[in-house]
This record gives sequence, structure tokens and C-alpha cells, in this order.
Amino acid sequence: AQSVTQLGSHVSVSEGALVLLRCNYSSSVPPYLFWYVQYPNQGLQLLLKYTTGATLVKGINGFEAEFKKSETSFHLTKPSAHMSDAAEYFCAVSDASNTGKLIFGQGTTLQVKP
Amino acid sequence: GAVVSQHPSWVICKSGTSVKIECRSLDFQATTMFWYRQFPKQSLMLMATSNEGSKATYEQGVEKDKFLINHASLTLSTLTVTSAHPEDSSFYICSARNSQNTEAFFGQGTRLTVV
Repeated sequence: AQSVTQLGSHVSVSEGALVLLRCNYSSSVPPYLFWYVQYPNQGLQLLLKYTTGATLVKGINGFEAEFKKSETSFHLTKPSAHMSDAAEYFCAVSDASNTGKLIFGQGTTLQVKP
Repeated sequence: GAVVSQHPSWVICKSGTSVKIECRSLDFQATTMFWYRQFPKQSLMLMATSNEGSKATYEQGVEKDKFLINHASLTLSTLTVTSAHPEDSSFYICSARNSQNTEAFFGQGTRLTVV
């Protein structure tokens, strides 16, 4: 069965500091992995995704994530946090049949301090 | 491209009434649509999967008679919350994909408040 665990429900960084949001997954098949950002009362915006190929994936707004099969991880990073990065972040894995159905992690709230 | 629009973005209704939420794919044909529910400060939980022209598949614990889903065309799916109660108040989000995509695209969500 597919599952996602996001370590840390709340992460706080200073503006300009490194952002690291952790995600570990469990999958019975080679996974498709996603990171989404959600601002209050809004839908989800895709930051980046991993399907196949290069394990280091670059996304929008300077975010990137690395798929590490040996660690079953897909951590999200950004070298320098901006105030506008403050939001809720969700890691997700596709279901085993890759139908588009997603299993989400619990979410991580990113706070950026001035 | 790949725009999904949800309507309304927010709705307030009285307890006991029904509310319909629309999810439209604006620039692609959505063979499959998904409906999620999100409680405050929580993650998204899949409610059901709908394929165009067939009955929706509901996740365990989701009442199909309460949450009616229709996917009558390749660009429109609707979720009707019947006989709404305050505990149905939540954020409902749809997503849609076609057979060529490796991802589904999300609507902006609908905030339902039942009073």
C-alpha cells in the first residue's frame, strides 16, 4: 500500500536560510512523487514531481527535491527562504496504478521569520 | 494549459439543504476526476474517483448517498452534498486528469459552511 510521512508538522526558518521539508514514502511499485504548496483557502499548486529519470528534480520558485530510492525519501529543499514561501506543503505519492489518485502526507507548515 | 476550475469558491448553506459543487477542466478532456476533502489544519483525504460516463468509486467510509458525484461529460464533474449538516463543513477540492498526463491538476477548492 502507498503511504507518505512528512516529518515535522511545522518548520520555522529565517528569511534567507535553507528550507528542508522531509518526506518519506512507502510504495509497492516505482513511485510517482509530488510536492504541492497550498496557501490559505486556496487549492494546491504543483511545485515539482518525480516520475522517472533524473533523481534530482527542479521545480518552481527555486525549489528542488531528490528522489532517493535507498532511503525511500523525497525531501524538498530551497537554498534561501523568502517570506512568500510561508505556506502549507504537501508531499504525495500516486497510487499503485498511477491513475492520478494521490495519497497525501500530513502536511508541513512552513513559517518564514524576517 | 491544464486549468481546472471549481465553482463556487465558497458557499454557506442551511442545515438540511443540498449543495452542488462543480469541477470543470477548461482546456483538456478529463477522463478521470477526483474529489478530496480537507478539514482545517489537516491533509487532503480522497473521497471518490469518477470516470466519465460511469459510476463513481467511493473510498471506504464515504457515504455515496450523501455525497453524490456525477461525471456526465469529459469536462465536468459535480459533487452534491445532500442534506448537509454542520459536520459536513469543510474544504472540498477536485482534481482532474486525462490519459496522457502523469499528474492530476487541482481546482482552487470550495469552502463549504453549513449553519
